[in-house]
Formats: sequence, structure tokens, C-alpha cells
Amino acid sequence: ETGVTQSPTHLIKTRGQQVTLRCSSQSGHNTVSWYQQALGQGPQFIFQYYREEENGRGNFPPRFSGLQFPNYSSELNVNALELDDSALYLCASSSMGTGRYEQYFGPGTRLTVT
Amino acid sequence: DAKTTQPTSMDCAEGRAANLPCNHSTISGNEYVYWYRQIHSQGPQYIIHGLKNNETNEMASLIITEDRKSSTLILPHATLRDTAVYYCIVREDFGNEKLTFGTGTRLTIIP
Repeated sequence: ETGVTQSPTHLIKTRGQQVTLRCSSQSGHNTVSWYQQALGQGPQFIFQYYREEENGRGNFPPRFSGLQFPNYSSELNVNALELDDSALYLCASSSMGTGRYEQYFGPGTRLTVT
Repeated sequence: DAKTTQPTSMDCAEGRAANLPCNHSTISGNEYVYWYRQIHSQGPQYIIHGLKNNETNEMASLIITEDRKSSTLILPHATLRDTAVYYCIVREDFGNEKLTFGTGTRLTIIP
């Protein structure tokens, strides 16, 4: 069974730029959720994708957007980067419709905005 | 989602049982108790979850009080690799429910 993978591991961007982060879900999972974790805090829910549609969103502005592909992998896009966007970005996969809803997390992408 | 309250930090001697408490006094009848842990700079790791009954798996045991207002995660024989931040989360299990993380308990295993 393949676990959740994320790329890149680390990324440095300049304020105002755009970034795309990628996530491959665990085999057999059809749902991907994205979280942002600032230093010293717990992860905060950004949004979830199921069947290539956004299926719930946290308190994040529209410049945070995502995609899910037919193979259930996903992208998180952030436009007009701000210094406060510096964080660990985590994706988690789960399986809708199976009765088991544990979310399994990837190792994260560390984004630094300068 | 109901809120949870956990101690900020705890220490436990290596080889002893680590008992991590969590209060969730406003939990509703269809909300489950989930536990995750996060080892430094890694993604959170699912440990265990339960609704009413006590649960046990290869990692830990979960004890939920009869009134469901609190629970305890038990790591039976703590090792240094169990040093992590432990999060107690309550959520409904409809599949599309987000996980709402608090600040968790920082557990340090002492050699």
C-alpha cells in the first residue's frame, strides 16, 4: 500500500508570486484534504476535494485554490503570496463511502515566503 | 465541531504507560473521538478513534468515559520514538468532515 506523498519537500518563494504544491493520495483513497500549519500551531483546514470537486472549505481566501485529478491526486495553488503564507502545507487522503474516515497525512511541503 | 481541552505538556518515563487525557464536555451523540500525533516536522499520524466503547489497536488504547465527556489515550509501553505532540479531536464521521486541531499535548518520553 502506497502512502501519501507530497512534492516538493521545501520551497522558497517571494511575496506576490504564485506556488503550486502537489499531493498523491494513498492507494484506494478518493478524497484529499489540505491543511496549513504555521509554526507552533496545529494544522488548519483549507479545503477538501472529492470527485474532482471542492467538498468543503475552511476560512481561507479565494487566492487559495485547488484541483483534484481523475487519479485522485491533487494540487494546492496559492496566488499573490504573502509573508504569512509561510507554513507547512499538509495533504491528507481518506476514503469517502467506505465507512472508514480516518485521514492519512503526507510529510508536508515547507513553504517559505520572503 | 466540539472543542477539546488537553494539557499543554506531559513527561513519561521510557517503558512506562503514558496516559494522555482529553476533555470534550460538549461532544454530541454522533461525534467520534480521534487521536493523532505529530512527530517533529512530520505529518500527523492517525492513532485511534472511537465512539462509545473502549478501543485498542497495535499502537494504543482509547478509554472513553461513560458520559463521553472525556477520554484517555494510553500508550502501554512508551519509547523514545513516542515523543510527539498528541492531538485529541472530535468530529462527525460523514466522510467530508474536516479535522479541527487544537494545540495538543506535547509528550516527552524521558530515558
